[in-house]
Amino acid sequence: GENVEQHPSTLSVQEGDSAVIKCTYSDSASNYFPWYKQELGKGPQLIIDIRSNVGEKKDQRIAVTLNKTAKHFSLHITETQPEDSAVYFCASRRAAGNKLTFGGGTRVLVKP
Amino acid sequence: DGGITQSPKYLFRKEGQNVTLSCEQNLNHDAMYWYRQDPGQGLRLIYYSQIVNDFQKGDIAEGYSVSREKKESFPLTVTSAQKNPTAFYLCASSTPRQGNQPQHFGDGTRLSIL
Repeated sequence: GENVEQHPSTLSVQEGDSAVIKCTYSDSASNYFPWYKQELGKGPQLIIDIRSNVGEKKDQRIAVTLNKTAKHFSLHITETQPEDSAVYFCASRRAAGNKLTFGGGTRVLVKP
Repeated sequence: DGGITQSPKYLFRKEGQNVTLSCEQNLNHDAMYWYRQDPGQGLRLIYYSQIVNDFQKGDIAEGYSVSREKKESFPLTVTSAQKNPTAFYLCASSTPRQGNQPQHFGDGTRLSIL
């Protein structure tokens, strides 16, 4: 089955700096890659997603890049703010199904 | 507002008891999912249902059971056969008919053993 590895597991950045989280997937049939943000005691919230026919997608301070050949995708957060502190999860999904496979999560701490 | 409601937020179980976690959605989504989240780890799929009266096992279904009698509801029962039930349980839904759509999550139920 699909396996998704996410790095780093924890990330501490100074406010205003950029944060980058990387994920690698194993199933070449995967074609949809969402990113979720989870705050303490809450469920994950979708922040951005990308489909395999696109190499990059941006939404204000958040961007995701996808390298299908290398089977990895990354989340970039620019100009980080304290409210960006949370756990971030990447995930992947095959074209033929609706099951998501999640990475292990990255705890991001933005220091003021 | 449309969304997913999970209840209760906190649940305690005695040894040997079955407990049922509620998940209701008013998003008119066809598919619903249950995940388990352990501290510092990712989400693991327990069960999912693509349509009413049908459901499939996920990666860690042992010790759990589900039903899908209504489109809006997908309750999860944690049975006494689940030897390590303490975890954060998340319910999600999506609408496959609109293509590759994201899953939307509720705010979870935290289950603890007394």
